Amino acid sequence: GAVVSQHPSWVICKSGTSVKIECRSLDFQATTMFWYRQFPKQSLMLMATSNEGSKATYEQGVEKDKFLINHASLTLSTLTVTSAHPEDSSFYICSANPRGRFTEAFFGQGTRLTVV
Amino acid sequence: AQSVTQPDIHITVSEGASLELRCNYSYGATPYLFWYVQSPGQGLQLLLKYFSGDTLVQGIKGFEAEFKRSQSSFNLRKPSVHWSDAAEYFCAVGTGNQFYFGTGTSLTVIP
Repeated sequence: GAVVSQHPSWVICKSGTSVKIECRSLDFQATTMFWYRQFPKQSLMLMATSNEGSKATYEQGVEKDKFLINHASLTLSTLTVTSAHPEDSSFYICSANPRGRFTEAFFGQGTRLTVV
Repeated sequence: AQSVTQPDIHITVSEGASLELRCNYSYGATPYLFWYVQSPGQGLQLLLKYFSGDTLVQGIKGFEAEFKRSQSSFNLRKPSVHWSDAAEYFCAVGTGNQFYFGTGTSLTVIP
């Protein structure tokens, strides 16, 4: 149980286009999902906290207009990288907390984004 | 402010040797502590966690970790490393509903 699926696993897009990444909790409801960014050989940096039915909370320095987050249901959160540029190339990982279990987090397999 | 420190960026061990990965944290209360492993290009897999109780916790793949409050540490250990253990290891502190990750330790296993 407690599987988080992220899609796509990897994506290549052209500069200026937008890319949507999905994060789904397959067998549990998640009122909160988190989006992380990971640069090569570095740790995970929290980008934003996504709460079902409300606006996401962004970490300092993260452009909310650049990284659009939607958490429309208890099992799905999406991250849209708008007007992507090469510097947005990175590994993006989501995690989800089962409803009512704030101290448990389950991670998706990550999405490798390459902007050319 | 919460922080997690993994002093060792990279560790190399021989297959069959013992392993200890260090983790120190800074947090005002008793934290929830986690160790995750990440293979290249993959997400994070939970190895073990500490919430309360016995300070020595057992995890998957033969890993264990010991919480030492006096040292603010949560070091990960394995008595005999296998080549498949080569990966990136992250220590994390969970507070409320947020996680704070250390910078990770890259483990290389040599035959």
